[in-house]
Amino acid sequence: QKEVEQDPGPLSVPEGAIVSLNCTYSNSAFQYFMWYRQYSRKGPELLMYTYSSGNKEDGRFTAQVDKSSKYISLFIRDSQPSDSATYLCAMSASKAAGNKLTFGGGTRVLVKP
Amino acid sequence: GAVVSQHPSWVICKSGTSVKIECRSLDFQATTMFWYRQFPKQSLMLMATSNEGSKATYEQGVEKDKFLINHASLTLSTLTVTSAHPEDSSFYICSAGTSGKYNEQFFGPGTRLTVL
Repeated sequence: QKEVEQDPGPLSVPEGAIVSLNCTYSNSAFQYFMWYRQYSRKGPELLMYTYSSGNKEDGRFTAQVDKSSKYISLFIRDSQPSDSATYLCAMSASKAAGNKLTFGGGTRVLVKP
Repeated sequence: GAVVSQHPSWVICKSGTSVKIECRSLDFQATTMFWYRQFPKQSLMLMATSNEGSKATYEQGVEKDKFLINHASLTLSTLTVTSAHPEDSSFYICSAGTSGKYNEQFFGPGTRLTVL
């Protein structure tokens, strides 16, 4: 079993819909949670960063962390075709700069106009 | 956010030759850089962690003599694929870790290597 599980998709939604993404994990030591967006043939771009449990909102993006369930989510409101990409969750146990991130496999999202 | 560049963005080489990929943090100092490999429609696979001025730490199964990593300064790390073979063809991505409030990693745009 992988440390971080993420549905590969593809997840297809109409423009304007809410995109709901999630990851589950098994390592209870993880405290720092990130979501990255990756366009085809490009490097990942950091979207959201959260620490411990709770919600964080930034524009159309909302990240949620439920440490008791070992479950994190990313919601994208008013989705646009430009949101079509692969979304990767990542997490770590430490905030030290040299600490490795553990990634989910990524979910491919397609927003149809 | 912080900017990380990679050069070249793509490279085609003949089997048996060596290829060097550069990763630079443009507007911040990166004490730690990471090198990843990504196959089509798959997630990132960490190859090694590179700290400035010291030897890189390689993940299990990654040949350190084949994938040479040098982190000569706080803004530059290089990955050299030695004696490249077609199975080394992949998308190589670096990231740089900051030493700020959180341990965000900022990724470069990636380098696509094709070995003929």
